[in-house]
Amino acid sequence: KAGVTQTPRYLIKTRGQQVTLSCSPISGHRSVSWYQQTPGQGLQFLFEYFSETQRNKGNFPGRFSGRQFSNSRSEMNVSTLELGDSALYLCASGIAGEGTDTQYFGPGTRLTVL
Amino acid sequence: AQSVTQPDIHITVSEGASLELRCNYSYGATPYLFWYVQSPGQGLQLLLKYFSGDTLVQGIKGFEAEFKRSQSSFNLRKPSVHWSDAAEYFCAVGSGNTPLVFGKGTRLSVIA
Repeated sequence: KAGVTQTPRYLIKTRGQQVTLSCSPISGHRSVSWYQQTPGQGLQFLFEYFSETQRNKGNFPGRFSGRQFSNSRSEMNVSTLELGDSALYLCASGIAGEGTDTQYFGPGTRLTVL
Repeated sequence: AQSVTQPDIHITVSEGASLELRCNYSYGATPYLFWYVQSPGQGLQLLLKYFSGDTLVQGIKGFEAEFKRSQSSFNLRKPSVHWSDAAEYFCAVGSGNTPLVFGKGTRLSVIA
């Protein structure tokens, strides 16, 4: 079974621009979570989607948004990019059954903001 | 609020030596615990998880972890480290449908 895929793998943007990252979960997985990873803050939860609905949201400004499609694929968007948004953005998928989901991570998208 | 502490930022071990990475958590509900490994420039790979039952869990690549409720710990162990184990290791805690909370990670270096 194919793993979680994320596109693009690398991205360079300038301040003020916006960016859209894509995540395709493992086949059959219905939940998708997004995390931001930086050397200073570590892994921080952004949001989680299940059945096209945002189920949980982390403590990030409204510039960060996401959505999930009917095929469970997800996108996250960051508007008005700031230098501090440079990070590795990780997507994780899970079956979202009873109890805590085991999350399986993709390789990440490395975003650099200049 | 839930939190995870990995007290060791960086550990260096010799190839063939044993390894123990520490993880302490603070969580109000029954915790579900995970260990992930991340190689440079890569995503996180699940090593093992604990939901309930036997407190000693086996994972991939020869790793195991022991859940000790009285000590709020979930330490990761490996009896003999290989050079390919050099990576960053993350402990995480969650419960039900709550997001995972990760520790800051422990970077493992392996020397010959």
